Amino acid sequence: GESVGLHLPTLSVQEGDNSIINCAYSNSASDYFIWYKQESGKGPQFIIDIRSNMDKRQGQRVTVLLNKTVKHLSLQIAATQPGDSAVYFCAENPAWGANSKLTFGKGITLSVRP
Amino acid sequence: ETGVTQSPTHLIKTRGQQVTLRCSSQSGHNTVSWYQQALGQGPQFIFQYYREEENGRGNFPPRFSGLQFPNYSSELNVNALELDDSALYLCASSLGQSAFFGQGTRLTVV
Repeated sequence: GESVGLHLPTLSVQEGDNSIINCAYSNSASDYFIWYKQESGKGPQFIIDIRSNMDKRQGQRVTVLLNKTVKHLSLQIAATQPGDSAVYFCAENPAWGANSKLTFGKGITLSVRP
Repeated sequence: ETGVTQSPTHLIKTRGQQVTLRCSSQSGHNTVSWYQQALGQGPQFIFQYYREEENGRGNFPPRFSGLQFPNYSSELNVNALELDDSALYLCASSLGQSAFFGQGTRLTVV
């Protein structure tokens, strides 16, 4: 069936370095993508989103890139900080207007070394 | 903080029992979705409520049911609990494309 998945289960980076978290999706009809951060014992926290008619969107210290040709999504975190340590999920919404019926990947753990 | 609150935060139930989880959505959000997150997995969509009506359902059996009230708060009910129902249950409210999650209810079935 259709799924959203992440390439690597864990990522360890040095504090101050840039982090890149990758995600592959298989539903070519997906129209909207979101990155969430989940800290231990908490619910997922919205980071940034992107619609399928865009290929790049920037936020504060984060950038999301979308490559529809290869169905690939990435999250770039600049100057990674210890507070960025968490599990990161990419999620897809099947269609704009589908009102947040999200399909999540399994998640990748980001560990920031001091 | 997202303004989405869930209760209780933790719950232990025995197999075969029934459970009700509650969610208060963010002010002004008319849509509430429920997700189940097993340990080490991403959240899985259970169902969604929009203006008190079910508006889509994931691959969950009928013993998972819900309600949405006029103030847009919501309940998730699970009957005949099974051990595999042990998970973090997340509520998300939305007014469009982006969903904002509560902190979840950790359900343990023994």
